[in-house]
Amino acid sequence: AQSVTQPDIHITVSEGASLELRCNYSYGATPYLFWYVQSPGQGLQLLLKYFSGDTLVQGIKGFEAEFKRSQSSFNLRKPSVHWSDAAEYFCAVGARNNDMRFGAGTRLTVKP
Amino acid sequence: KAGVTQTPRYLIKTRGQQVTLSCSPISGHRSVSWYQQTPGQGLQFLFEYFSETQRNKGNFPGRFSGRQFSNSRSEMNVSTLELGDSALYLCASSSGRGTDTQYFGPGTRLTVL
Repeated sequence: AQSVTQPDIHITVSEGASLELRCNYSYGATPYLFWYVQSPGQGLQLLLKYFSGDTLVQGIKGFEAEFKRSQSSFNLRKPSVHWSDAAEYFCAVGARNNDMRFGAGTRLTVKP
Repeated sequence: KAGVTQTPRYLIKTRGQQVTLSCSPISGHRSVSWYQQTPGQGLQFLFEYFSETQRNKGNFPGRFSGRQFSNSRSEMNVSTLELGDSALYLCASSSGRGTDTQYFGPGTRLTVL
């Protein structure tokens, strides 16, 4: 069965600094990978997804992620963080039958 | 296109009661998945319905059940509520073809007293 590990429970960055959130997955076949963001008390919003093709994926709000098969990773990056990016971020892996598994999440705090 | 809607948004129940949550997917989507989110366990998959049939099921007790109607709307039922059922219940819809992107609703916050 597939699984996802987000090693960082909480990350604090200064506004304007770059950001990288780590995600490692375990899955026997080609994974379908997703990053979602959740603001307090809200549902999850899709940031970006990787199904196949170019391993560098662009998403909304200036986020990007790179799929590295050799490292089983799908890290999320943003060159310059804004205060509004403070939220919880979830990495997820999907199997062919639409069975999604989520990581534990990384809470991002942005310092002014 | 309207997003996924969930009703009610907030619910307070007492132990032993039962509750029904509702989810309306994005128009044209035939798959609805349900997740439970708690601070301790994170996001856990409950079940998925596609064309009125349960297609996938997570590791939850039989107190948790669901159904899907012909218009793809879905309901989730929890019977004999326990304190530990307090959580944010999220519904997600997708086309259901293979592994498609899931779009989430705002959730229903259930508190069990």
